[in-house]
Amino acid sequence: DIQMTQSPSSVSASVGDRVTITCRASQGISNWLAWYQQKPGKAPKLLIYAASSLQSGVPSRFSGSGSGTDFTLTISSLQPEDFATYYCQQANSFPWTFGQGTKVEIK
Amino acid sequence: QVQLQESGPGLVKPSGTLSLTCAVSGGSISSSDWWSWVRQPPGKGLEWIGEIYHSGSTNYNPSLKSRVIISVDKSRNQFSLILSSVTAADTAVYYCARLSKYSSTWYPDYWGQGTLVTVSS
Repeated sequence: DIQMTQSPSSVSASVGDRVTITCRASQGISNWLAWYQQKPGKAPKLLIYAASSLQSGVPSRFSGSGSGTDFTLTISSLQPEDFATYYCQQANSFPWTFGQGTKVEIK
Repeated sequence: QVQLQESGPGLVKPSGTLSLTCAVSGGSISSSDWWSWVRQPPGKGLEWIGEIYHSGSTNYNPSLKSRVIISVDKSRNQFSLILSSVTAADTAVYYCARLSKYSSTWYPDYWGQGTLVTVSS
């Protein structure tokens, strides 16, 4: 299985801050990577697919980059509704696997 | 707008069988999408269980493959999950999701709200 490792596990930030989350795959996955946002008690929400493509309806302050083994999710100006847990997921090969999550908390 | 709704018992006894159904509305299960199950133990991360196409083709997580069956019922526009020989480690919120094709591969874009299944005697 491809292991996905996110860092940091949690980050404290203020409204308006720029936040960057990284995700590393244990082997190359081209750009077959997605990012999800999950709020407590809710299902994950697809934000980014194919490493850098913004899902319809997702604010442009979210962006993704990377290829191969190293990827980043950036929130350019953190908004109150962005406090949540973020997961990366590889779609290169079965079984699909997720990172362990990064919790974005209010500072 | 596609909507998915999980249903099934919230409590299963150890060594028993977990059985869940996902009803799809606002779209056809016979579309060119795959349909999947993902679970999340309380306070932990996400684990992909498996997926099915309307033809009946399936892909399963090898870690669960010996205990999992996913099936589709096109007449009822729903798909189902069976997980046998459950233990406390199978306690989780179970999500169903639609996998749609984006940029040459498949990603879950619509999710059910999830249902908590507890394995306990």
